[in-house]
Amino acid sequence: GAVVSQHPSRVICKSGTSVKIECRSLDFQATTMFWYRQFPKQSLMLMATSNEGSKATYEQGVEKDKFLINHASLTLSTLTVTSAHPEDSSFYICSAILHGAGIYNEQFFGPGTRLTVL
Amino acid sequence: QQQVKQSPQSLIVQKGGISIINCAYENTAFDYFPWYQQFPGKGPALLIAIRPDVSEKKEGRFTISFNKSAKQFSLHIMDSQPGDSATYFCAARNGNQFYFGTGTSLTVIP
Repeated sequence: GAVVSQHPSRVICKSGTSVKIECRSLDFQATTMFWYRQFPKQSLMLMATSNEGSKATYEQGVEKDKFLINHASLTLSTLTVTSAHPEDSSFYICSAILHGAGIYNEQFFGPGTRLTVL
Repeated sequence: QQQVKQSPQSLIVQKGGISIINCAYENTAFDYFPWYQQFPGKGPALLIAIRPDVSEKKEGRFTISFNKSAKQFSLHIMDSQPGDSATYFCAARNGNQFYFGTGTSLTVIP
């Protein structure tokens, strides 16, 4: 159990276009999901916390209008990179928090999405 | 400010040897300490985790040692195998917020 999927796994787009990345919790409901960005050989950088039914909470320095997050249901959060530029090229990873008896609020990660902006 | 400090940055171990990765923290509000394993191009996967009321947790070849007074915890990989070659992240949790170490790239030489 506790599987998180991401789609697409990789995307290449032209500068100026918008890209949407989906994050789904497949076998559990997640009131909280996180979006991370990871540069090569570096740690995970938290971008925002996505809460179902409410606005996302963005980390300092992350542009809200650039990275639009929608958590419309208990199993789906989306990250839209608007007007993407080459500097937005990165590995984006989502995670979902699993709550429940015997589970200590662990987070489970998606497989990541490699975004390349030309 | 790095809430969780991890060392070493990289580690090379012979097959069959013991890999040891260390982490330290300052915030006593942290209540859960997981370790994640990440292969290139993949998302992190939970490897093993410990709560601060336990000093050691073992799962197969992986052991977490936790020293609450020193605010340190470490991952030991016994009988390291080439398939263990990956990047390992320690983390600490406060509420729903997770703080990650900077990662350790482990290479196990056959």
